[in-house]
Amino acid sequence: AQTVTQSQPEMSVQEAETVTLSCTYDTSESDYYLFWYKQPPSRQMILVIRQEAYKQQNATENRFSVNFQKAAKSFSLKISDSQLGDAAMYFCAYIGNTPLVFGKGTRLSVIA
Amino acid sequence: GAVVSQHPSRVICKSGTSVKIECRSLDFQATTMFWYRQFPKQSLMLMATSNEGSKATYEQGVEKDKFLINHASLTLSTLTVTSAHPEDSSFYICSAREGTGNSPLHFGNGTRLTVT
Repeated sequence: AQTVTQSQPEMSVQEAETVTLSCTYDTSESDYYLFWYKQPPSRQMILVIRQEAYKQQNATENRFSVNFQKAAKSFSLKISDSQLGDAAMYFCAYIGNTPLVFGKGTRLSVIA
Repeated sequence: GAVVSQHPSRVICKSGTSVKIECRSLDFQATTMFWYRQFPKQSLMLMATSNEGSKATYEQGVEKDKFLINHASLTLSTLTVTSAHPEDSSFYICSAREGTGNSPLHFGNGTRLTVT
């Protein structure tokens, strides 16, 4: 079964600085997608960024970018120029032939 | 963008009663919807996969007779918590996939259920 591991329960970053959230996954599939979701205190799940496994180029979305290492099964999220509104729970997620599987999440605090 | 509406956002019920939660895809058809449960400070746990016109597929450990799922149309799935108990108190989130394959899921805003 596919598993997603986020080894950092909590992280903090100074406003305007850069932070990287880690995520590793385990799968035997070759075709799959990876996502980072953000869950602010409102509990709404918000898609931050998406990566197709067949693409070598790392996905970027404004201040958010990923470092996708397929061989290492690693999918980290980098947030640049952190803002107070970035404070939230971040979930790494995997989808292949099974429904979306989530990691346990990383709580990100942004310090003003 | 695609929107998923979940209702109600909060509900308080007495132990032994049943509660229905609705999940609607507003501007797309969703042949598959998913129901998740989230305990405080924990990740989302998949409860079941809801398929339009057929029986839901429940994850291991989820009681199908307790958590009734109906997906009667391409835009509506419902989760009914039957004979609710305080331990059923939780945050329930539905999601729907726009399109097929590995498209991202769109999430509802969730329902906070409190059973007294």
